[in-house]
Amino acid sequence: DIQMTQSPSSLSASVGDRVTITCRASQNVRNYLNWYQQRPGKAPKVLIYAASSLQSGVPSRFSGRGSGTEFTLTITSLQPEDFATYYCQQSYNGPRTFGQGTKVETK
Amino acid sequence: QVRLQESGPGLVKPSGTLSLICTVSGDSIINSDWWSWVRQTPGKGLEWIGEISHSGSTSYNPSVKSRVSMSVDTSKNQISLKLSSVTAADTATYYCARPQYTNAWTPVEWFDAWGQGALVTVSA
Repeated sequence: DIQMTQSPSSLSASVGDRVTITCRASQNVRNYLNWYQQRPGKAPKVLIYAASSLQSGVPSRFSGRGSGTEFTLTITSLQPEDFATYYCQQSYNGPRTFGQGTKVETK
Repeated sequence: QVRLQESGPGLVKPSGTLSLICTVSGDSIINSDWWSWVRQTPGKGLEWIGEISHSGSTSYNPSVKSRVSMSVDTSKNQISLKLSSVTAADTATYYCARPQYTNAWTPVEWFDAWGQGALVTVSA
Protein backbone atom coordinates (compact mmCIF):
# COMPACT_ATOMS: atom_id res chain seq x y z
CA ASP A 1 0.00 0.00 0.00
CA ILE A 2 1.04 3.59 -0.59
CA GLN A 3 1.70 5.34 2.70
CA MET A 4 0.65 8.97 3.06
CA THR A 5 2.41 11.08 5.68
CA GLN A 6 1.22 14.54 6.65
CA SER A 7 3.10 17.23 8.51
CA PRO A 8 2.59 18.73 10.91
CA SER A 9 0.13 16.53 12.82
CA SER A 10 -1.29 19.68 14.37
CA LEU A 11 -0.73 23.38 14.23
CA SER A 12 -1.95 26.47 16.03
CA ALA A 13 -2.95 29.50 14.00
CA SER A 14 -5.00 32.68 14.16
CA VAL A 15 -7.72 34.04 11.93
CA GLY A 16 -6.08 35.66 8.93
CA ASP A 17 -2.95 33.50 9.04
CA ARG A 18 -1.55 31.70 6.03
CA VAL A 19 -1.41 27.97 6.71
CA THR A 20 0.43 25.29 4.76
CA ILE A 21 0.10 21.53 5.27
CA THR A 22 2.40 19.02 3.60
CA CYS A 23 1.59 15.51 2.44
CA ARG A 24 4.22 13.03 1.28
CA ALA A 25 3.55 9.77 -0.52
CA SER A 26 5.74 6.70 -0.11
CA GLN A 27 5.87 6.38 -3.90
CA ASN A 28 4.97 8.42 -6.94
CA VAL A 29 1.22 9.10 -7.12
CA ARG A 30 1.49 11.58 -10.01
CA ASN A 31 -1.39 14.03 -9.42
CA TYR A 32 -3.80 11.45 -7.93
CA LEU A 33 -3.97 13.37 -4.68
CA ASN A 34 -7.01 14.84 -2.94
CA TRP A 35 -7.50 17.00 0.13
CA TYR A 36 -10.42 16.83 2.56
CA GLN A 37 -11.59 18.91 5.48
CA GLN A 38 -13.34 17.29 8.41
CA ARG A 39 -15.13 19.13 11.18
CA PRO A 40 -15.95 17.32 14.45
CA GLY A 41 -18.83 14.93 14.08
CA LYS A 42 -19.06 15.44 10.33
CA ALA A 43 -18.00 13.49 7.28
CA PRO A 44 -14.93 14.55 5.30
CA LYS A 45 -15.56 17.16 2.63
CA VAL A 46 -13.41 17.40 -0.47
CA LEU A 47 -11.57 20.67 -0.98
CA ILE A 48 -9.02 19.90 -3.69
CA TYR A 49 -8.90 17.04 -6.19
CA ALA A 50 -6.21 15.99 -8.64
CA ALA A 51 -3.64 17.84 -6.54
CA SER A 52 -4.64 21.36 -7.54
CA SER A 53 -8.25 21.51 -8.76
CA LEU A 54 -10.63 23.38 -6.49
CA GLN A 55 -13.88 21.52 -5.81
CA SER A 56 -16.95 23.46 -6.83
CA GLY A 57 -18.23 25.64 -4.00
CA VAL A 58 -14.97 25.64 -2.04
CA PRO A 59 -13.58 29.10 -1.26
CA SER A 60 -10.61 30.23 -3.32
CA ARG A 61 -8.46 30.73 -0.20
CA PHE A 62 -7.82 26.99 -0.42
CA SER A 63 -5.23 25.84 -2.93
CA GLY A 64 -3.22 22.72 -3.62
CA ARG A 65 0.12 22.13 -5.30
CA GLY A 66 2.48 19.31 -6.00
CA SER A 67 3.04 16.19 -8.03
CA GLY A 68 4.78 12.88 -7.57
CA THR A 69 5.48 12.41 -3.88
CA GLU A 70 5.18 15.86 -2.30
CA PHE A 71 2.05 17.98 -2.05
CA THR A 72 0.87 21.01 -0.15
CA LEU A 73 -2.47 22.45 0.88
CA THR A 74 -2.46 26.18 1.58
CA ILE A 75 -5.11 28.31 3.22
CA THR A 76 -4.21 31.90 2.40
CA SER A 77 -6.26 33.67 5.08
CA LEU A 78 -7.58 31.38 7.76
CA GLN A 79 -11.25 31.89 8.63
CA PRO A 80 -13.06 30.80 11.82
CA GLU A 81 -14.79 27.97 9.98
CA ASP A 82 -11.43 26.58 8.80
CA PHE A 83 -10.44 25.26 12.23
CA ALA A 84 -10.77 21.58 11.45
CA THR A 85 -8.75 18.50 10.54
CA TYR A 86 -7.36 18.09 7.04
CA TYR A 87 -6.52 14.85 5.26
CA CYS A 88 -4.76 14.00 2.06
CA GLN A 89 -5.71 10.89 0.09
CA GLN A 90 -4.19 9.11 -2.88
CA SER A 91 -6.18 7.33 -5.55
CA TYR A 92 -3.32 6.32 -7.83
CA ASN A 93 -2.66 2.71 -7.03
CA GLY A 94 -3.89 -0.07 -4.78
CA PRO A 95 -6.27 0.60 -1.93
CA ARG A 96 -7.05 4.28 -1.53
CA THR A 97 -5.05 5.55 1.44
CA PHE A 98 -5.29 8.64 3.60
CA GLY A 99 -2.82 10.66 5.57
CA GLN A 100 -3.13 10.64 9.34
CA GLY A 101 -4.57 14.14 9.41
CA THR A 102 -3.49 17.63 10.39
CA LYS A 103 -5.54 19.38 13.05
CA VAL A 104 -5.68 23.16 12.71
CA GLU A 105 -6.36 24.69 16.10
CA THR A 106 -6.85 28.17 17.45
CA LYS A 107 -3.71 29.84 18.74
CA GLN B 1 -28.41 16.92 -4.76
CA VAL B 2 -27.36 13.41 -3.85
CA ARG B 3 -27.72 12.29 -0.24
CA LEU B 4 -26.21 9.17 1.32
CA GLN B 5 -27.48 7.72 4.59
CA GLU B 6 -25.93 4.82 6.48
CA SER B 7 -28.07 2.68 8.76
CA GLY B 8 -27.66 -0.43 10.86
CA PRO B 9 -27.02 -1.71 14.38
CA GLY B 10 -24.76 0.48 16.46
CA LEU B 11 -23.58 -2.41 18.63
CA VAL B 12 -22.18 -5.75 17.45
CA LYS B 13 -20.79 -8.54 19.61
CA PRO B 14 -17.21 -9.75 19.13
CA SER B 15 -16.96 -12.51 16.50
CA GLY B 16 -20.29 -11.36 15.08
CA THR B 17 -21.08 -9.76 11.74
CA LEU B 18 -21.38 -6.04 11.20
CA SER B 19 -24.10 -5.12 8.68
CA LEU B 20 -24.75 -1.66 7.29
CA ILE B 21 -26.89 -0.27 4.51
CA CYS B 22 -26.28 2.92 2.60
CA THR B 23 -29.40 4.42 1.06
CA VAL B 24 -28.84 6.85 -1.80
CA SER B 25 -31.39 9.56 -2.55
CA GLY B 26 -31.40 12.38 -5.07
CA ASP B 27 -29.66 10.29 -7.68
CA SER B 28 -29.71 6.77 -9.02
CA ILE B 29 -27.06 4.30 -7.98
CA ILE B 30 -26.60 3.34 -11.61
CA ASN B 31 -25.44 6.88 -12.42
CA SER B 32 -22.16 6.24 -10.64
CA ASP B 33 -19.85 3.43 -11.71
CA TRP B 34 -18.66 2.67 -8.19
CA TRP B 35 -19.63 3.23 -4.57
CA SER B 36 -17.20 2.96 -1.66
CA TRP B 37 -17.17 2.27 2.06
CA VAL B 38 -14.66 4.08 4.28
CA ARG B 39 -14.25 3.75 8.04
CA GLN B 40 -12.66 5.98 10.62
CA THR B 41 -11.13 5.04 13.93
CA PRO B 42 -9.23 7.21 16.39
CA GLY B 43 -6.26 4.88 16.12
CA LYS B 44 -5.96 4.16 12.39
CA GLY B 45 -7.68 7.21 10.98
CA LEU B 46 -9.50 6.93 7.66
CA GLU B 47 -9.37 3.52 6.00
CA TRP B 48 -10.88 2.64 2.62
CA ILE B 49 -12.71 -0.68 2.98
CA GLY B 50 -13.69 -1.35 -0.60
CA GLU B 51 -16.01 -0.53 -3.46
CA ILE B 52 -18.87 -2.01 -5.42
CA SER B 53 -20.17 -1.20 -8.87
CA HIS B 54 -23.85 -0.88 -9.67
CA SER B 55 -23.55 -4.20 -11.50
CA GLY B 56 -22.14 -5.91 -8.41
CA SER B 57 -18.41 -6.04 -9.17
CA THR B 58 -16.30 -5.53 -6.07
CA SER B 59 -12.80 -4.56 -5.00
CA TYR B 60 -11.73 -4.85 -1.38
CA ASN B 61 -8.87 -3.60 0.73
CA PRO B 62 -6.56 -6.56 1.43
CA SER B 63 -6.63 -5.57 5.11
CA VAL B 64 -10.23 -6.80 5.39
CA LYS B 65 -10.68 -8.81 2.21
CA SER B 66 -11.18 -12.16 3.95
CA ARG B 67 -14.00 -10.78 6.11
CA VAL B 68 -15.87 -8.27 3.96
CA SER B 69 -18.64 -8.49 1.43
CA MET B 70 -20.61 -5.79 -0.34
CA SER B 71 -23.79 -5.96 -2.35
CA VAL B 72 -26.03 -3.61 -4.29
CA ASP B 73 -29.80 -3.39 -4.67
CA THR B 74 -30.56 -1.07 -7.55
CA SER B 75 -34.33 -1.38 -7.02
CA LYS B 76 -33.96 0.13 -3.55
CA ASN B 77 -31.03 2.41 -4.48
CA GLN B 78 -28.98 0.84 -1.71
CA ILE B 79 -25.56 -0.65 -1.16
CA SER B 80 -24.70 -2.83 1.78
CA LEU B 81 -21.63 -3.79 3.77
CA LYS B 82 -21.02 -6.91 5.81
CA LEU B 83 -17.92 -7.46 7.91
CA SER B 84 -17.60 -10.79 9.68
CA SER B 85 -15.60 -11.98 12.69
CA VAL B 86 -15.46 -8.50 14.11
CA THR B 87 -13.24 -7.48 17.01
CA ALA B 88 -12.86 -4.30 19.02
CA ALA B 89 -10.49 -3.08 16.30
CA ASP B 90 -13.47 -2.84 13.96
CA THR B 91 -15.13 -0.27 16.20
CA ALA B 92 -15.38 2.76 13.94
CA THR B 93 -17.57 5.25 12.18
CA TYR B 94 -18.48 3.76 8.80
CA TYR B 95 -19.14 5.99 5.81
CA CYS B 96 -20.42 5.28 2.34
CA ALA B 97 -19.03 7.57 -0.32
CA ARG B 98 -19.51 8.32 -3.99
CA PRO B 99 -16.48 8.89 -6.23
CA GLN B 100 -16.14 11.40 -9.00
CA TYR B 101 -13.60 11.28 -11.80
CA THR B 102 -11.74 13.79 -13.89
CA ASN B 103 -12.35 13.79 -17.65
CA ALA B 104 -8.99 12.39 -18.57
CA TRP B 105 -7.53 9.39 -20.32
CA THR B 106 -6.41 8.18 -16.90
CA PRO B 107 -9.00 9.79 -14.62
CA VAL B 108 -8.29 10.88 -11.09
CA GLU B 109 -10.82 9.71 -8.53
CA TRP B 110 -12.01 11.57 -5.46
CA PHE B 111 -14.96 11.24 -3.07
CA ASP B 112 -17.39 14.11 -3.55
CA ALA B 113 -20.34 12.84 -1.53
CA TRP B 114 -20.35 11.12 1.84
CA GLY B 115 -22.98 9.85 4.21
CA GLN B 116 -23.16 11.28 7.71
CA GLY B 117 -21.52 8.14 9.08
CA ALA B 118 -22.67 5.29 11.30
CA LEU B 119 -20.86 4.59 14.55
CA VAL B 120 -20.53 0.86 15.16
CA THR B 121 -19.15 -0.39 18.46
CA VAL B 122 -17.93 -3.95 18.87
CA SER B 123 -18.47 -5.00 22.45
CA ALA B 124 -19.95 -7.83 24.46
